[in-house]
Amino acid sequence: GESVGLHLPTLSVQEGDNSIINCAYSNSASDYFIWYKQESGKGPQFIIDIRSNMDKRQGQRVTVLLNKTVKHLSLQIAATQPGDSAVYFCAEISTGNQFYFGTGTSLTVIP
Amino acid sequence: GAVVSQHPSWVICKSGTSVKIECRSLDFQATTMFWYRQFPKQSLMLMATSNEGSKATYEQGVEKDKFLINHASLTLSTLTVTSAHPEDSSFYICSARRGGTYYFSGANVLTFGAGSRLTVL
Repeated sequence: GESVGLHLPTLSVQEGDNSIINCAYSNSASDYFIWYKQESGKGPQFIIDIRSNMDKRQGQRVTVLLNKTVKHLSLQIAATQPGDSAVYFCAEISTGNQFYFGTGTSLTVIP
Repeated sequence: GAVVSQHPSWVICKSGTSVKIECRSLDFQATTMFWYRQFPKQSLMLMATSNEGSKATYEQGVEKDKFLINHASLTLSTLTVTSAHPEDSSFYICSARRGGTYYFSGANVLTFGAGSRLTVL
């Protein structure tokens, strides 16, 4: 189950800079990964996904990198905008369709 | 596609009353629905997993008699906070997973509701 009362790590970036948000996963059986964005007072929204047979996937202004050797996932946001301020968290899905969520990172964009 | 509606979005109630929150998958059948609780500036905490037609599976430390979950159909799950107290005030979020392999689903693998804010006075 999830950790109780876990405070979020924070990341502050200047508007226009690139942001990198990291996520470590632990389950070697995870073969599908999703990044979610959660704005204050709202439910999480899908951003981008990646399968374990890939190491990089690009979307609009976002790139996800997967390093299976060290079980590490990152989300890169190019030219960060104030509207990107939110909590970002990763989800790993195992071959048995089990979902595991990362703690999340709170991103603040400074205008 | 893959829209999950959560209702109400905000509810204020007196201590001791029970509150029901609904989670509906609007355009797909959800084989599994999940309920989470979230405090400000904190991560999502999974409370329970609910499969249609069977009893919910609660995470350790979550009182099943306090948080009643019903998943009577493939499109509706409800969370009832019984005899609510101020410490139950929180943001409650549901998510729904559609059946089938996730390789073809992308954004539809797991869809979250917008959340329900509960304030107990």
